[in-house]
Amino acid sequence: GAVVSQHPSWVICKSGTSVKIECRSLDFQATTMFWYRQFPKQSLMLMATSNEGSKATYEQGVEKDKFLINHASLTLSTLTVTSAHPEDSSFYICSAVKPGQGGNQPQHFGDGTRLSIL
Amino acid sequence: GENVEQHPSTLSVQEGDSAVIKCTYSDSASNYFPWYKQELGKRPQLIIDIRSNVGEKKDQRIAVTLNKTAKHFSLHITETQPEDSAVYFCAASIRWDSGAGSYQLTFGKGTKLSVIP
Repeated sequence: GAVVSQHPSWVICKSGTSVKIECRSLDFQATTMFWYRQFPKQSLMLMATSNEGSKATYEQGVEKDKFLINHASLTLSTLTVTSAHPEDSSFYICSAVKPGQGGNQPQHFGDGTRLSIL
Repeated sequence: GENVEQHPSTLSVQEGDSAVIKCTYSDSASNYFPWYKQELGKRPQLIIDIRSNVGEKKDQRIAVTLNKTAKHFSLHITETQPEDSAVYFCAASIRWDSGAGSYQLTFGKGTKLSVIP
């Protein structure tokens, strides 16, 4: 299998708080994880590519100082929303790629984290 | 960058009928097109994908067609069942991530499919 766990599933916190979201690959090692953001009735927007042992690669328009990504091990990547404000409220979802031989390997998604900033 | 348009945003069909969801993309360099199904409160699941060197792919009741010239691809579900009710997302590859051995993707906005028993 290829199971990806994301925690927490739901966060409600005050403006100015920093929030950490974890993405874990439970039964495989993932050298790469992707972080997405999804607004209501909108598509999944790729925010950044997280690579184990190196700096994340951010998509254009995504503030790296606002959305800190750490991929410290082959099974864990974290996204920290620093000094969160109401406009950061959204659904954040990660995916992990299970290594394989040859060709394209599909992305396996976590369940997502719904972040609400008051 | 790549822009993916998906239509319709909602689709209701009677059980047993067919459902078709269409997507267009803007970047002619895209060469991998997956479709994901997301049930309420659950994670997106890959249901079928197609590469640019193939025009059509079928897996039981699900098929995907690709027209590279027109830059559009479609998902076809035949003999729909209530359990097919979900949100379906199409995606197109942005770039190849050699470290991951995977494509980075841009997604459509999704289609909420309701199959009426």
